[in-house]
Amino acid sequence: GENVEQHPSTLSVQEGDSAVIKCTYSDSASNYFPWYKQELGKRPQLIIDIRSNVGEKKDQRIAVTLNKTAKHFSLHITETQPEDSAVYFCAATDYKLSFGAGTTVTVRA
Amino acid sequence: GAGVSQSPRYKVAKRGQDVALRCDPISGHVSLFWYQQALGQGPEFLTYFQNEAQLDKSGLPSDRFFAERPEGSVSTLKIQRTQQEDSAVYLCASSYLGTSVHNEQFFGPGTRLTVL
Repeated sequence: GENVEQHPSTLSVQEGDSAVIKCTYSDSASNYFPWYKQELGKRPQLIIDIRSNVGEKKDQRIAVTLNKTAKHFSLHITETQPEDSAVYFCAATDYKLSFGAGTTVTVRA
Repeated sequence: GAGVSQSPRYKVAKRGQDVALRCDPISGHVSLFWYQQALGQGPEFLTYFQNEAQLDKSGLPSDRFFAERPEGSVSTLKIQRTQQEDSAVYLCASSYLGTSVHNEQFFGPGTRLTVL
């Protein structure tokens, strides 16, 4: 089955700085890579996703890059704001999601 | 329109009790997934339905876990003879299309199960 590893497990950044979270996956059959944001006690919410035929995707302050050869994908958040503080999960799938262990992001005001 | 809903939101069970967790997916969504999220971990896949057919139950941890979606809409996850290790948040997600097309999975708020 798919195995997704996510780093770092915690990340503290100053407001306005950038945050980068990295994930690797094992199954070359995976071809869809979503990122979810989960606030304490709430449901995971999709913030951005990328498909295997695309190398990079950007949505305002959030971007994701994918390197299929290396089986590696990353989330970049620029100009971080306090409301970006949450747990972020990467996932890989061919239909069922395999999640990383999560990164707790804290944005210091 | 309404999102995915789950009930109850919180459930406390004594060890050995049976529990039933309900998921109401977004109307018209073909695919329904159940995930288990332990404290401080990412969600882990339990089972998948396409309409009323359970196509994948490879993630169910034991034969005490059973899921159904008899009419292709509402789904119930049942856990028999609950154990302390079953304590977790159980998340339901639905998506519009089947497995042949990747599309967003919309998550419910989860049911937090605590087994004493």
